[in-house]
Amino acid sequence: DTAVSQTPKYLVTQMGNDKSIKCEQNLGHDTMYWYKQDSKKFLKIMFSYNNKELIINETVPNRFSPKSPDKAHLNLHINSLELGDSAVYFCASSQASGYAYEQYFGPGTRLTVT
Amino acid sequence: AQSVTQPDIHITVSEGASLELRCNYSYGATPYLFWYVQSPGQGLQLLLKYFSGDTLVQGIKGFEAEFKRSQSSFNLRKPSVHWSDAAEYFCAVGARNTGFQKLVFGTGTRLLVSP
Repeated sequence: DTAVSQTPKYLVTQMGNDKSIKCEQNLGHDTMYWYKQDSKKFLKIMFSYNNKELIINETVPNRFSPKSPDKAHLNLHINSLELGDSAVYFCASSQASGYAYEQYFGPGTRLTVT
Repeated sequence: AQSVTQPDIHITVSEGASLELRCNYSYGATPYLFWYVQSPGQGLQLLLKYFSGDTLVQGIKGFEAEFKRSQSSFNLRKPSVHWSDAAEYFCAVGARNTGFQKLVFGTGTRLLVSP
């Protein structure tokens, strides 16, 4: 009964490749997010989708393309991977309406680009 | 735009001792404030949150935090630390003007617990 799940947990690939990370939430939330955590543990938001609509795009290179097929899924596709893309990517979800805006995070995907 | 400062990169506490992790925020109005914990190799788990009302909020695992508007602070406390509390702790601030929470995180404080 995992709330927010991500696949894969680890991803090792070479520069120039294209890869995808998948995220699913079973909390019934209507908003999902992608965060990047760098080697110094700094967390920064990349994207946010509400009801499958992009609402936050934080100056991320256009090699990164999120896709939300439905409210419960938000995938991240990365083209032409670069060394600097190595990081841990976290998916999160929250309920935009109502009072409780806390975000629930997935376990993370550690991406290593060689 | 909101921002968060966690001035302590590392803190070492003896098991059983009390703990206080500092968090200062910058935001033009009353913010939403959160503390998350990240154990090694794990995702982030919400410890507690402040939205409004009582400025002392209780969270999970025996943690509490106090919102002090005059000091723009939201420090995390625990009266007696357990070895299992060793982890990375993140303070985050969210804007009130939208339900689409753009959380801004601090740089984290790594807690080490000595026997």
